[in-house]
Amino acid sequence: EVQLVESGGGLVQPGGSLRLSCAASGFIFSSYWMTWVRQAPGKGLEWVANIKQDGSEKYYVDSVKGRFTISRDNAKTSLYLQMNSLRAEDTAVYYCARGVESGVDYFDYWGQGTLVTVSS
Amino acid sequence: QSALTQPRSVSGSPGQSVTISCTGTSSDVGGYNYVSWYQQHPGKAPKFIIYDVSKRPSGVPDRFSGSKSGNTASLTISGLQAEDEADYYCCSYAGFYTEVFGTGTKVTVL
Repeated sequence: EVQLVESGGGLVQPGGSLRLSCAASGFIFSSYWMTWVRQAPGKGLEWVANIKQDGSEKYYVDSVKGRFTISRDNAKTSLYLQMNSLRAEDTAVYYCARGVESGVDYFDYWGQGTLVTVSS
Repeated sequence: QSALTQPRSVSGSPGQSVTISCTGTSSDVGGYNYVSWYQQHPGKAPKFIIYDVSKRPSGVPDRFSGSKSGNTASLTISGLQAEDEADYYCCSYAGFYTEVFGTGTKVTVL
């Protein structure tokens, strides 16, 4: 059974940093693109970042470029999101999701999400 | 990277059909056949229900169907059931390995 379990969320002050983790199991992690998607309270879904199977390619939504870094450790079957210079507008539930082997298309499995609150 | 436009809400009685539109541009919806749809119940993670515009993953009822014309994709729920009451989001590939979601639509079963 495919499982994605996020952790690392919490309360952080504006300008602070946080590192999210996503532990994956039940599939060959190194064969899939992985993605972070976020959802601000009461708002819609927003794609945040993608990473290729071997970590060699990473793509971001404009609003987080230069502040967030997506990474992965295939040996640990884990996905990460390092978030720096956090802003109030980054407050959201962050979901990790599995992409497809080809890179683009859809997200077939999602974690339960971890809440990040940026506030003083 | 502007969000795709969806109606804020749609509603229907049990057994009826409802259709949700998802309007983008030639740089996303209109440019690729990589439109997917997700269902989200309150407090839950999204669930994947349609991919490649009109394909259904295994386990998704055939009451759910997708289509696309030009820059607008659509999700139709036929034979509406109480458990279909949820938020629905479209998503499209937008080039250069980026994705864009729709604004979301709340489906209410009357």
